[in-house]
Amino acid sequence: SQQGEEDPQALSIQEGENATMNCSYKTSINNLQWYRQNSGRGLVHLILIRSNEREKHSGRLRVTLDTSKKSSSLLITASRAADTASYFCATGGSNYKLTFGKGTLLTVNP
Amino acid sequence: SQTIHQWPATLVQPVGSPLSLECTVEGTSNPNLYWYRQAAGRGLQLLFYSVGIGQISSEVPQNLSASRPQDRQFILSSKKLLLSDSGFYLCAWTPAGNQETQYFGPGTRLLVL
Repeated sequence: SQQGEEDPQALSIQEGENATMNCSYKTSINNLQWYRQNSGRGLVHLILIRSNEREKHSGRLRVTLDTSKKSSSLLITASRAADTASYFCATGGSNYKLTFGKGTLLTVNP
Repeated sequence: SQTIHQWPATLVQPVGSPLSLECTVEGTSNPNLYWYRQAAGRGLQLLFYSVGIGQISSEVPQNLSASRPQDRQFILSSKKLLLSDSGFYLCAWTPAGNQETQYFGPGTRLLVL
């Protein structure tokens, strides 16, 4: 079963705008990660936030984690056309496995 | 640096035919290896993972099997393909010392007709 659920399923914005994607999960986690997938390609790891962290930044990416609400958000600032992709959250537990959500398809229009 | 390869990139197979997809990792030792399937417009479903040679864990009962004959080689197989086996198959690995972040291969698109 898929633990992470991204919201919205699809998002279309103009270049330069910010994009916010949300992820909700159901069980306790050790970490939450965000991955990006360009159409027809493999996934690329973007950022990892641990269960004892509340916010993390990496370049134009900002991730928040609220373990009390079992939710996370990914903010991409000053979006570019090249940011067009699907974005997935994945939750990591105490084993070797990640559980992925269904993803948010982001379209950035030039 | 580490790299991961998958082949073939695309494959069209008739129903009932066998399948063999290969994944290899370079530049690391004793990685954890994973096979995922992604249906169109969907998330990733974990099929198999392996923590060492000959050690395979299956996540869902299905028409597929996996093997790890060498440390950095992971093979996904089927004796008889079904229409429902169509999808995008992704291999991933994690370093033995850091099993959190997964690194994905380019994927194999399989169409069963």
